[in-house]
Amino acid sequence: KNQVEQSPQSLIILEGKNCTLQCNYTVSPFSNLRWYKQDTGRGPVSLTIMTFSENTKSNGRYTATLDADTKQSSLHITASQLSDSASYICVVSLRTGTASKLTFGTGTRLQVTL
Amino acid sequence: NAGVTQTPKFQVLKTGQSMTLQCAQDMNHEYMSWYRQDPGMGLRLIHYSVGAGITDQGEVPNGYNVSRSTTEDFPLRLLSAAPSQTSVYFCASGAGVSYNEQFFGPGTRLTVL
Repeated sequence: KNQVEQSPQSLIILEGKNCTLQCNYTVSPFSNLRWYKQDTGRGPVSLTIMTFSENTKSNGRYTATLDADTKQSSLHITASQLSDSASYICVVSLRTGTASKLTFGTGTRLQVTL
Repeated sequence: NAGVTQTPKFQVLKTGQSMTLQCAQDMNHEYMSWYRQDPGMGLRLIHYSVGAGITDQGEVPNGYNVSRSTTEDFPLRLLSAAPSQTSVYFCASGAGVSYNEQFFGPGTRLTVL
């Protein structure tokens, strides 16, 4: 069964600190992996996309890594800000015919405090 | 561009009532989809469409109908609401290879009593 598991479920950090969120998946055949940020009461917004051949991709203070051999990804947030408080969702795309099949993780809820 | 818009933002229904959740996008995307998001679960696909006149079932289609008469609009109909349909519903439109880049609307929070 195709699954995406994220850890931790929730995390509280002080503003300015770094943190790393984890994503393990069993989706096959793998097409790509995206990290989404979902603010409370809003829809998810894509942060990064990684394909099979990519190991690292950055988007400002967000850096995603991918190890396709171990089927693990991480999202590292540097110098956190209050505005980083949100849920972060890992989404793995299964390579199929016309439309990709997406498998969503349950998300990590991050709270950044003063 | 407004992106993906959804109405209403909040809705309360009684068991057995029907209603339509509206979704529109102005990005000329062929692909549109509906998801539901429940606590402790990842988003689950209800129905999707790869173009006007074409719809298909997702992971959890029971109790929901869709139609796609135009590229822009993709309404979701609840035929006879049940408490198990209490959820947050997201509409998304897709671009890119196999439509895997998806843009989400702001969501509709539905409560069925």
